[in-house]
Amino acid sequence: AQKITQTQPGMFVQEKEAVTLDCTYDTSDQSYGLFWYKQPSSGEMIFLIYQGSYDEQNATEGRYSLNFQKARKSANLVISASQLGDSAMYFCAMREDLNNNDMRFGAGTRLTVKP
Amino acid sequence: DAGVTQSPTHLIKTRGQQVTLRCSPKSGHDTVSWYQQALGQGPQFIFQYYEEEERQRGNFPDRFSGHQFPNYSSELNVNALLLGDSALYLCASSLEGGWRMNTEAFFGQGTRLTVV
Repeated sequence: AQKITQTQPGMFVQEKEAVTLDCTYDTSDQSYGLFWYKQPSSGEMIFLIYQGSYDEQNATEGRYSLNFQKARKSANLVISASQLGDSAMYFCAMREDLNNNDMRFGAGTRLTVKP
Repeated sequence: DAGVTQSPTHLIKTRGQQVTLRCSPKSGHDTVSWYQQALGQGPQFIFQYYEEEERQRGNFPDRFSGHQFPNYSSELNVNALLLGDSALYLCASSLEGGWRMNTEAFFGQGTRLTVV
């Protein structure tokens, strides 16, 4: 069964504007962690932000914030003030308590920032 | 401080051959995970090594095997290569040694394997 769903294969955003990348997940665990990674064309996965299932506050890291809605099982990434260098693939991933070593990834969203 | 390094960066092999990919973890990290990323898809977990043993395995056949050395570096071996094994193989390292849900994994740039 698909654990992580990213429904937007591609997104476009104007430079300096904000963009939201969607992620929904499926788990029966009460304890889990959600991650967002950026993958530029070089291939390396770059960690952006983490949200724990018990965290009451939405995570923020600079221009990145995570809109965590636990009841809806969604963990959307918000990028504010987009920059040309933000153009890349973005992956949502989850680690579950009972399956701690296995990080499950979604299919990704390709973000293109227009000048 | 060097991050995760993988070698080689690109590789072309013939169907039926065997291949070995290498990974050196980030300094201080003791756990290595391997992922396969087919074109247009997200990474799929292959297995994880900790203390020189395979700790967990994803849904991959026995043709995929690995090893972790005392210096924490790791190898991924794939036997009897199939065309479908063509993918980007990513290595990720982390510092384990206990349950930590928010353990961040650092990834290398990957090895792009093409099977012809």
